[in-house]
Parts: sequence; C-alpha cells; structure tokens
Amino acid sequence: QVQLVQSGVEVKKSGASVKVSCRASGYTFSSFAINWVRQAPGQGLEWLGSIRANNIRTNSALKFQGRVFLTTDSSTNTAYMELRNLRFDDTAMYYCVREALDYDFATGLNHWYFDVWGPGTLVTVSS
Amino acid sequence: DIQLTQSPLSLSASVGDRVTITCRASQSVDKDLNWYQQKPGKAPEPLIYGASTLESGVPPRFSASGSGTDFTLTISSLQREDFAIYYCQQSYNHPRTFGQGTRLDIK
Repeated sequence: QVQLVQSGVEVKKSGASVKVSCRASGYTFSSFAINWVRQAPGQGLEWLGSIRANNIRTNSALKFQGRVFLTTDSSTNTAYMELRNLRFDDTAMYYCVREALDYDFATGLNHWYFDVWGPGTLVTVSS
Repeated sequence: DIQLTQSPLSLSASVGDRVTITCRASQSVDKDLNWYQQKPGKAPEPLIYGASTLESGVPPRFSASGSGTDFTLTISSLQREDFAIYYCQQSYNHPRTFGQGTRLDIK
C-alpha cells in the first residue's frame, strides 16, 4: 500500500538546522510531488513547500524562502526537508504529504489534493 | 497568497445532527478546494477534493459543494467518529493555503 515513513523526533537548539526524511513506498515515486506541511502545537496547518521527485521544480512559501530546502533521492524514494536557522516558533509537527492529481472526465479539469500523509516528525527547538 | 476563511471556528453538536462548515476564499479558486479531517494526535486525512468529490472510503453522510469563492462541507447525520477538526485547502495555485480549521465537538 502507499506509505510515507518519516524520520524520528528531533530536538534542536535555536539557530541550528534540522533535516527530516520521508521515505515513500507503494507507488512510483517520480510521478508525484511531495509537499511539506507543519502544525505548531494546538495550531492549524501551514504549507512549507513542494518538490517533484526529479528535483526540477520546487515551490515554497515566501516566509520560508532562504530557510527551507527540499530535495529528493530517487535511488531510495526519499524526500528531505531541511529547515535552517531554527527559531523557537519552528517547534511543530512536520508532515510530508503526497499530492495527487485527479482528472475530472465530466469537466476536463484537473484537481490536485493531498491524498497521503506521513505520520509526522516532531521538531522541538529549545535554548 | 489566497486566504481561506472558515466559519464557524468551533461548533458543538450532537450525534445525529446535521452540520455545515463554510470556507470562503479571498479570490476565486474555481473548484480547486479540498477538505480534510484531523483527529487528535493523527495526521489529517482527505475527505473531499475538487470541491465536491468524496475521497474513496469516505462515508456518504459527508458532502460538499461550491465554486469560485464560497464552499460548504456538510455532514448529514453526525456520528461519534466525526468529532474532529476540519480544514479546507486550496490547490488553485502556489502557495497552497489552508483555512484556520473548524473544531467540531460533542455537545
């Protein structure tokens, strides 16, 4: 079955970097983009960015540009999210998410949505 | 960036009730609006995509509609397992954005 397995809990100091991995299985890795979404404790969902498996196209939220770096390794079907210069408010659960494309034959339109979510990686930033 | 505004932000209801959550976009997203359900301690799960299409395995008591800027998610007869947080999300363009979430509690 389609599965995303993420790396374990991280505790980092302010100013450090963290790199979270997301290993995909059960589908053709190169056919889907991987997105990264985070959720601070008790808060809502925040999109960080996305990457196609061939590393050619990436998108990231403006607030994270220059701090978030997304890569993939097609030899191991793994996506990585590195967040640099960590701040206390980066403490959150980080999810990798597959983005699927559904073609609506009735309208001829494509619809993208987040169909498979990883279990999340808790990143805690402390002093 | 496209802002999504959900209402209400919290809602108390009873088993068997019919509830509706709305999501309004700051600009048109056509039908590129999705809904997710999140239970405590779990990752969100897809419910609806393309504004009105149920994800495989989602019970038919869930329905959704809308296009452009105004969307609704309806649960026709609440079951105990439906008490959760619901998020809308637009996939019309980048950056992808989410609504604030609507917490649905048992009355």
